[in-house]
Amino acid sequence: QKEVEQDPGPLSVPEGAIVSLNCTYSNSAFQYFMWYRQYSRKGPELLMYTYSSGNKEDGRFTAQVDKSSKYISLFIRDSQPSDSATYLCAMKRGGADGLTFGKGTHLIIQP
Amino acid sequence: DAGVTQSPTHLIKTRGQQVTLRCSPISGHKSVSWYQQVLGQGPQFIFQYYEKEERGRGNFPDRFSARQFPNYSSELNVNALLLGDSALYLCASSLEGSGNTIYFGEGSWLTVV
Repeated sequence: QKEVEQDPGPLSVPEGAIVSLNCTYSNSAFQYFMWYRQYSRKGPELLMYTYSSGNKEDGRFTAQVDKSSKYISLFIRDSQPSDSATYLCAMKRGGADGLTFGKGTHLIIQP
Repeated sequence: DAGVTQSPTHLIKTRGQQVTLRCSPISGHKSVSWYQQVLGQGPQFIFQYYEKEERGRGNFPDRFSARQFPNYSSELNVNALLLGDSALYLCASSLEGSGNTIYFGEGSWLTVV
């Protein structure tokens, strides 16, 4: 079992829809949770950062962490074609620990 | 302000050769990390450096090495290249060694033939 599981998709939704992206993990020591967006052949761009359980909102993006279920989510409201990209969840324990990533979900927003 | 910058952007090497990749962190950031991203996978952690010292290491062979300079820039070296080393190599920076807001560069595409 991989430490972080993420459905690779592709996930295709119409423009304006609410998108839900999810990851599950097995290591209960993870405390810091991030979502990155990666366009084709580019580096990952940090979208959201959350510490421990709870919700965080930034514009059209909402990140949720449920440590009891070892489940994290990213919601995108009013999705736009420019949101089409691969979304990577990442997490770490703390200190000098490196990030552990999921495989990424390929999201397609249809105009 | 400039983000994380990496060079070269693309390179092709032959099996058995050695490669050096370079990274400059965001101004004011003292920690640099390196990741390998194979096509279709998420990035995998290779090293973290903070204040010129290795602070973390992922599950990579000794053919991979790195260092950080007094100006906080960093180099990743890979010796005895294998075909499987073909990947996007990403550099990331954060303010401190335990920094949890981590920013990535655009990466260096390495093809081993």
